[in-house]
Amino acid sequence: DAGVTQSPTHLIKTRGQQVTLRCSPKSGHDTVSWYQQALGQGPQFIFQYYEEEERQRGNFPDRFSGHQFPNYSSELNVNALWLGDSALYLCASSLSVLAGVAKNIQYFGAGTRLSVL
Amino acid sequence: AQTVTQSQPEMSVQEAETVTLSCTYDTSENNYYLFWYKQPPSRQMILVIRQEAYKQQNATENRFSVNFQKAAKSFSLKISDSQLGDTAMYFCAFMKPNDYKLSFGAGTTVTVRA
Repeated sequence: DAGVTQSPTHLIKTRGQQVTLRCSPKSGHDTVSWYQQALGQGPQFIFQYYEEEERQRGNFPDRFSGHQFPNYSSELNVNALWLGDSALYLCASSLSVLAGVAKNIQYFGAGTRLSVL
Repeated sequence: AQTVTQSQPEMSVQEAETVTLSCTYDTSENNYYLFWYKQPPSRQMILVIRQEAYKQQNATENRFSVNFQKAAKSFSLKISDSQLGDTAMYFCAFMKPNDYKLSFGAGTTVTVRA
């Protein structure tokens, strides 16, 4: 059973550039969430995608956008990169049809380490 | 907004001993979900244990158990018989029932010494 996979594992960009990160959810999962984790801190929620639409968004600027495809995979796009965007970006998947706490269990990938120079 | 506080940045424990990590949270909700996640150096966040607020019984998963004190808004994690593989960053997280985001604490680094 394939878990959550993210690509690439590492990425180096310069200020002002744009970046796209990719995520394939755990087999059978239909919901994808993205988090930003700065060094030494806990992850911060960026947004969640379900049925190819953004269902909820955290406190991140419009430079952060996403997409979910019919196969439930997802992309995170960040435009006009600046130094503060350097972080580990984590993707998590879950299954919405479950009830209670099971619905809310999110399974994480190993992340993409983004460095902005 | 919900806030999650982990007051211990680092903890060190001898192999086979027990360590307890603290977590407090702030919410006006009556029902919610609480989680402990482990993040080893490999970076992948792994679910350790979960608790539903309306269940009074404390959750247990093998060597991991929680002490959930709803009135005090406290959710501590106890790791018994610590193993070298338990060395990791541990995050406490909160979620409202009809919400979709996890709110994480700042984490506690646990080092298990041989």
